[in-house]
Amino acid sequence: QVQLQESGPGLVKPSQTLSLTCTVSGGSISSGGYYWSWIRQHPGKGLEWIGYIYYSGSTYYNPSLKSRVTISVDTSKNQFSLKLSSVTAADTAVYYCAREGGGYPHWGQGTLVTVSS
Amino acid sequence: NFMLTQPHSVSESPGKTVTISCTGSSGSIASNYVQWYQQRPGSAPTTVIYEDNQRPSGVPDRFSGSIDSSSNSASLTISGLKTEDEADYYCQSYDSSNLNWVFGGGTKLTVL
Repeated sequence: QVQLQESGPGLVKPSQTLSLTCTVSGGSISSGGYYWSWIRQHPGKGLEWIGYIYYSGSTYYNPSLKSRVTISVDTSKNQFSLKLSSVTAADTAVYYCAREGGGYPHWGQGTLVTVSS
Repeated sequence: NFMLTQPHSVSESPGKTVTISCTGSSGSIASNYVQWYQQRPGSAPTTVIYEDNQRPSGVPDRFSGSIDSSSNSASLTISGLKTEDEADYYCQSYDSSNLNWVFGGGTKLTVL
């Protein structure tokens, strides 16, 4: 059973870059056919898709965030990462990583990131 | 842009059946798979339905999904409601024009 775990700083200063990592266990991130995704949830709000990277390396981003987002994969560590630049308080949210494709989507437990000075 | 619309909230009594709708804004909702996620307070979402009507192992068969092309909507039906089913439910599909994920706004299910 694949498992995903988010990690990274829980507090980021405004204008800085938010960086999170998702560690995958129980399966290889290099396996074909999967989309490795990031989703966020503002406090008390619904889910917002940030983007994903396909196993081939192709990336797809939410148009509203595209200018600030980078998703990448590190196959040697079986991890994928999210970078969100120029953050503001509006980026305060719980960030989830997920794997989709070849069955049902698997989600990580999520990590709260607060943007504050 | 493609959007999915869900009712803000629904409520029903234990033992009854409830259906949550998810309506596509344009195109055909049947063109791309729909997933349904359950999110209990303080927890991460979990998949209860994927690829329109498939259940992950461990999800009770009280949960079922369907597509109605005539109304361009997907539905999640939960029968034999239990208090533990009380949660937020989100539908998710794709924008065919750019392969982006799209989420519905979520439906709060109250079982009382």
